[in-house]
Amino acid sequence: DTAVSQTPKYLVTQMGNDKSIKCEQNLGHDTMYWYKQDSKKFLKIMFSYNNKELIINETVPNRFSPKSPDKAHLNLHINSLELGDSAVYFCASSQTGRAYNEQFFGPGTRLTVL
Amino acid sequence: SQELEQSPQSLIVQEGKNLTINCTSSKTLYGLYWYKQKYGEGLIFLMMLQKGGEEKSHEKITAKLDEKKQQSSLHITASQPSHAGIYLCGAAGWTGNQFYFGTGTSLTVIP
Repeated sequence: DTAVSQTPKYLVTQMGNDKSIKCEQNLGHDTMYWYKQDSKKFLKIMFSYNNKELIINETVPNRFSPKSPDKAHLNLHINSLELGDSAVYFCASSQTGRAYNEQFFGPGTRLTVL
Repeated sequence: SQELEQSPQSLIVQEGKNLTINCTSSKTLYGLYWYKQKYGEGLIFLMMLQKGGEEKSHEKITAKLDEKKQQSSLHITASQPSHAGIYLCGAAGWTGNQFYFGTGTSLTVIP
C-alpha cells in the first residue's frame, strides 16, 4: 500500500488556468506538508497542516491555497498559473509536527505551465 | 543564504569507488536527516541523526554527525549504479515546525 500518494503525477497546463493537486496519506499522521522543488532541485517548504490547521505559510503567493478536508488529505489549489510555477511539487506527512519526526514523501507532481 | 549547504553539488564516480557527501549547517542541528531521490521520483528516507558524534549505517551507506552538531557526512562504500540519484540532507527544529533541505548532491555511478 502506498503511504503518501499524489495525483496527478504529471500536469501540463496553460498560463492563467486554475489547477489542483491532490495528496492522501494512509499513515494516520497528524501533519502534512507541501514542498516545491525548483529546476535546481532545491526543496522549499510551502505549507504545513496539523490536524487541519495551517501552521506554516512560507511567503507563498496567495494564488496557492492548501485545502484539507480531513487529516488524511491535503490538496493544493493553484489559481492563475504562471510560468514560474513550473516545478515538481511534493506532498509529505509526519506523525506530528515536531522536529524529530521523519517525513514521508509522495512521488511528486511535475507541473509544467506553458 | 542557505541554512544547509551540501558539497559537492554533483559527483560522478566509477562503480566500486567510495564517496562522501557533506552537509554543513550554519546553526546547531537538532535532527539531521538524509534522503535520497531517484530521478523523477519521490524522496526516500535513509537515516536520521540526533546526537553529536552519532554514526549510523544501512547496507553500504554510513552517515555521521559531528560532535558540534553542525556538519554531517554521508559515506557510500563500493558504490553501485543503484546508488545514483540526488542526496538531500534535511534539518528541523530551528523554528517551530519548519523543515529545511540542503542544496542537494547529484550522484552518478558509471558501471
